[in-house]
Amino acid sequence: AQSVTQPDIHITVSEGASLELRCNYSYGATPYLFWYVQSPGQGLQLLLKYFSGDTLVQGIKGFEAEFKRSQSSFNLRKPSVHWSDAAEYFCSLGSGAGSYQLTFGKGTKLSVIP
Amino acid sequence: DVKVTQSSRYLVKRTGEKVFLECVQDMDHENMFWYRQDPGLGLRLIYFSYDVKMKEKGDIPEGYSVSREKKERFSLILESASTNQTSMYLCASSYPRSNQPQHFGDGTRLSIL
Repeated sequence: AQSVTQPDIHITVSEGASLELRCNYSYGATPYLFWYVQSPGQGLQLLLKYFSGDTLVQGIKGFEAEFKRSQSSFNLRKPSVHWSDAAEYFCSLGSGAGSYQLTFGKGTKLSVIP
Repeated sequence: DVKVTQSSRYLVKRTGEKVFLECVQDMDHENMFWYRQDPGLGLRLIYFSYDVKMKEKGDIPEGYSVSREKKERFSLILESASTNQTSMYLCASSYPRSNQPQHFGDGTRLSIL
């Protein structure tokens, strides 16, 4: 069975500091990986996705993620956090490009200190 | 700009009622989704629709049904609401080359009393 683990439930960073949100997955084949962001009171927005190719993926809002097969990880990064990045972030895993079934992690809530 | 609109932000219903949650997208997307989101459980797929009148069950379809009579509209139906269906419900859509949800509505927080 496939699974996604986001080890950090809540992270607090200062505005302007760098950010890394961790995501580990368990899946027996090539994973299709996604990061979503959910701002308070809103639905989710797709930040970026990895299907194949370059293991460093660029997304919207200045985010990037790196796929590391050896570590079964897909960590999300941003070099300088803005107050508007405060939100909940979800990592998810699909079993193929055509798969509509995604397994979501439980989310990491990001707080930003001015 | 992309828009997925859910008809209600908050809804309160009683046990045993038949409940309809409506979702409309204005992007001519073939694929639409219904999820429920619960604290500590994350998002779980209820149903997926890849075209008008076409649907696939997700992880937790029990107690729910869906209707897709028009491309832009995807309805979630709670046949006989129960208290364990109190949750946040999220609708999403995506274009055909991507079977993963891309655009989400703002959610409907449903309380069953």
